[in-house]
Amino acid sequence: GENVEQHPSTLSVQEGDSAVIKCTYSDSASNYFPWYKQELGKGPQLIIDIRSNVGEKKDQRIAVTLNKTAKHFSLHITETQPEDSAVYFCATHRPPSKLTFGKGITLSVRP
Amino acid sequence: NAGVMQNPRHLVRRRGQEARLRCSPMKGHSHVYWYRQLPEEGLKFMVYLQKENIIDESGMPKERFSAEFPKEGPSILRIQQVVRGDSAAYFCASSPTGQGASEKLFFGSGTQLSVL
Repeated sequence: GENVEQHPSTLSVQEGDSAVIKCTYSDSASNYFPWYKQELGKGPQLIIDIRSNVGEKKDQRIAVTLNKTAKHFSLHITETQPEDSAVYFCATHRPPSKLTFGKGITLSVRP
Repeated sequence: NAGVMQNPRHLVRRRGQEARLRCSPMKGHSHVYWYRQLPEEGLKFMVYLQKENIIDESGMPKERFSAEFPKEGPSILRIQQVVRGDSAAYFCASSPTGQGASEKLFFGSGTQLSVL
């Protein structure tokens, strides 16, 4: 089955700095790659996604890049703010199956 | 437009009791997924259901766990004879019908199950 790994498990940055979170996967048939943000006491929320036919996608301060050859994709957050502090999960999808999630990374933004 | 509704938010059970977790998908969504989250762990897939059908239950433990999504009413995740190891946050998600239905998931706020 699919193996999705996230590194590191925790990340601390200064407010205003950029944060990059990397995710690797094993199933070359995966073709959809979302990122979810989970705040304390809440369910995960989709923040950005990318398909396998695209290399990069941007939405305001967040972007996702995909390297299909190397089987990794990354979440980039620029100008980080305290409200960006949360757990971030990457996931992969291989049709027609379900999403497979990584273990998550805890991002802390220091004011 | 209400999101995915899960209840209860917190559920306390003693060992050996039954736990019933409920999930109402977003309006217009006919696909429901259950995930379990343990501390320091990611979201582990349990089961994928459509109305009256179990599509994929590859993540469900073989014993004590069952799920249903009836024609009318919410989806139910049922855990019989709970043990301490069942303590976790259980999340329900739904997705719309159509192409890519199992991709974009909308999650509820979860049910935190504590087994004493």
